[in-house]
Amino acid sequence: QVQLQESGPRLVKPSETLSLTCSVSGGSVNKYYWSWLRQPPGKGLEWIANIFYSGSANYNPSLERRVTISVDTSKDQFSLKLSSVTAADTAVYYCAREVRLGITPHGFDLWGRGTMVTVSS
Amino acid sequence: DIQMTQSPSSLSASVGDRVTITCRASQGIGNALGWYQLKPGTAPKRLISAASRLQSGVPSRFSGSGSATEFTLTITSLQPEDFATYYCLQHKTYPYTFGQGTKLEIK
Repeated sequence: QVQLQESGPRLVKPSETLSLTCSVSGGSVNKYYWSWLRQPPGKGLEWIANIFYSGSANYNPSLERRVTISVDTSKDQFSLKLSSVTAADTAVYYCAREVRLGITPHGFDLWGRGTMVTVSS
Repeated sequence: DIQMTQSPSSLSASVGDRVTITCRASQGIGNALGWYQLKPGTAPKRLISAASRLQSGVPSRFSGSGSATEFTLTITSLQPEDFATYYCLQHKTYPYTFGQGTKLEIK
């Protein structure tokens, strides 16, 4: 059974870079798109970015200038870096697997439990 | 960006009730819509894909309908484990966008 697990620092200082990794267990990153999403406290869900196992990525324009997503097929992991963070970046960060029907996006069929990241000095 | 307007934002209901949640898209998205259930501390769960396709293992009391700009999630005969927050998601175009969420609470 494939499972996703987010990991990384729970506390990040303002202006620094938030770094998270999603480990895929029981399966492989190959042949799928992988996404990062987040949910600030008391707010709704926001899609951040996705990446294909080949390395091709797409970003939410609202965050694009600060976000880098990468994949490591040898470790079955993918990662998120969000630079110049502020308190507004405090959120539960989720990783998720995206299903495609051919080339057509078909939503997220598998999610991690999420990790709460707080931006504070 | 495609805006997803979800209503109601909260809903109070009793075990055994039938509830309906609606999402409206700011432009047509075909059937590129899913419904997700979120509970604190657990992995979000997809209930419905392609607007109306029930996911494997999801109870049949959940159903989805709609296309283009109007979508609904219906839960018949609410069970205690159904009290959670529900979101719609459009994945027709980037950036993928969610509705604002509906918190379903026990009356």
